Parts: sequence; C-alpha cells; structure tokens
Amino acid sequence: AQSVAQPEDQVNVAEGNPLTVKCTYSVSGNPYLFWYVQYPNRGLQFLLKYITGDNLVKGSYGFEAEFNKSQTSFHLKKPSALVSDSALYFCAVRDINAGNMLTFGGGTRLMVKP
Amino acid sequence: NAGVTQTPKFRVLKTGQSMTLLCAQDMNHEYMYWYRQDPGMGLRLIHYSVGEGTTAKGEVPDGYNVSRLKKQNFLLGLESAAPSQTSVYFCASSYAGQAEGNTIYFGEGSWLTVV
Repeated sequence: AQSVAQPEDQVNVAEGNPLTVKCTYSVSGNPYLFWYVQYPNRGLQFLLKYITGDNLVKGSYGFEAEFNKSQTSFHLKKPSALVSDSALYFCAVRDINAGNMLTFGGGTRLMVKP
Repeated sequence: NAGVTQTPKFRVLKTGQSMTLLCAQDMNHEYMYWYRQDPGMGLRLIHYSVGEGTTAKGEVPDGYNVSRLKKQNFLLGLESAAPSQTSVYFCASSYAGQAEGNTIYFGEGSWLTVV
C-alpha cells in the first residue's frame, strides 16, 4: 500500500527566508508525486508534480520540489518566502501500479511572519 | 473557468437526516472523486468513479453512496447522517490514463455539520 508522511504539522519561517516543507513516501513501484496548497476555506490548488525526468521540479508561485529516490523524499522548497505563502500544504503520491488513486499526507501548515 | 463546482457550500443537518452533495465538472474528465478532510488526517477518499455509470469504494465509504449518471456529474449521498460525518467534503476530477500521472483538480469544498 502507498503512503505519505509529512513529519511537521507546522513550519514557521520569516518573510524573505528560504522555506522547506518535508514529505516522504512509500510505494511499491515508481511514484507520481504531487504538492497541493490550500488557502483558508478554499479547495486544494495544484502546485507541481514529479512524473519522470529531472529530479528538480518547478511549479507555481516560485515553488519547487526535489525528488530523491534513495531517500524516498519529495520536499517542497522556495528560496524566499512571502507572507502570502501562509497556507496548508499537502503532499500526495500515486503508485502507477495502484490505479489513479492519490494518497495524501496529513498536511503541513506554513506560517510566514513579516 | 468553472472547473469543478460543488453545491451546497454549507449545510447543517440533524442526525438521521439525508442529503445529497452535487459535483459538476466541465473539463470532460473521465475520473471523479469524493474526499473528506478532517483535521490532521489529510484527505481521505470516500468513493470514486472511472466513468459514467461506474462507481467504486475508496478508503472510507461507509455511510455514503454515490452515483454517476452523467459524465460531468458525481453525486454523494448521506442516507442517515451521523455526527461523525461532520467534515469538509471535496469533489475532484481528472483525465484517465495512468501513464501520464494526471493531475487531479479539486472543487472549493462543502462544509457539512451534523448535529
């Protein structure tokens, strides 16, 4: 069975500093990996995904994520955080051998302080 | 750019009442999904559909039923609401095709409270 872990419930960072939101996964085959962001009282918005190819994936709003197969990780990063980045972030994995179903992590709340 | 639209957005039910959440997508997606979101638990899949007229159980299907009579619509029903079904419900859709790692697109959510 596939699973995703986001070890931090909350990440605090000062505006202008780099941010990292951690994600590790477990699948039996090759993974498809996704990051979504959720603003208060809104649905999930797609940020970026890793399917194959370059391990560094660039997405919306200046976010990027690095796929590390040996460490089974897919950490979300941004070089310079903005207060408006404050939101709930979800990592998700799809095992290509397990249908089209996404499994989500528990979410990490990112708080960017001015 | 409607995307995935859910109705109603908010609803309060009494225990034992029934209701239906409606989801509509205008992207011609084959797959549709219903998730529920609870604090600290991420999103959990309730039911999903891989095409018109087909449905399947997800991770937490008990207490819910679904129907996909038209490709663009996916209905989630609660036959006899329980307080444990107080949650935020998200509908989502995607193209088929496992090889492409298709992105799943979400609606804005429906906040349901069962008292």
